[in-house]
Amino acid sequence: AQSVTQPDIHITVSEGASLELRCNYSYGATPYLFWYVQSPGQGLQLLLKYFSGDTLVQGIKGFEAEFKRSQSSFNLRKPSVHWSDAAEYFCAVGPNTGNQFYFGTGTSLTVIP
Amino acid sequence: SQTIHQWPATLVQPVGSPLSLECTVEGTSNPNLYWYRQAAGRGLQLLFYSVGIGQISSEVPQNLSASRPQDRQFILSSKKLLLSDSGFYLCAWRAYGYTFGSGTRLTVV
Repeated sequence: AQSVTQPDIHITVSEGASLELRCNYSYGATPYLFWYVQSPGQGLQLLLKYFSGDTLVQGIKGFEAEFKRSQSSFNLRKPSVHWSDAAEYFCAVGPNTGNQFYFGTGTSLTVIP
Repeated sequence: SQTIHQWPATLVQPVGSPLSLECTVEGTSNPNLYWYRQAAGRGLQLLFYSVGIGQISSEVPQNLSASRPQDRQFILSSKKLLLSDSGFYLCAWRAYGYTFGSGTRLTVV
């Protein structure tokens, strides 16, 4: 079955500290992988995506993610977190064509000063 | 550039009342459009998608329906809302990943 697991429901980090949000997926074909960020009361904004090639992808706002096929993971990282990064983060997997994407249940990030 | 508009941003409706949420896309033609629902503490659930005018596919049987009267317009409706319809509704346009609208917070009371 296709699925995305984000094992951390909530994470708290200090401003300036490094961040890693975990994402594991189960997908029967070549996965296209995405990370989205959702600020309170807002829609989802694409942070970065992986289709093929270099397994380390750079996104907006200083985020990066690494695709590890052997671990079925696509973890999101940021070297130094800013207070404005407090939001909910969603990992998603989907096909290059077709209509079904699978989203994780999200990780809520709190940044403390 | 492509943009997606969704309204209203917030809606409080009594049980049994009708619902109409609208989504429009600019800057593209014949987009694939989607309605997702995000319930409190849960992930995103795909409700409907449309690949063209009048073409609607339903992913989850429910109290809701969708229509695509124009190429860049996608409407989510209900004849009689249930308490369980409360949630955050997101319209999205797809091209190598989704572009989401800003969402509608629906509270059914």
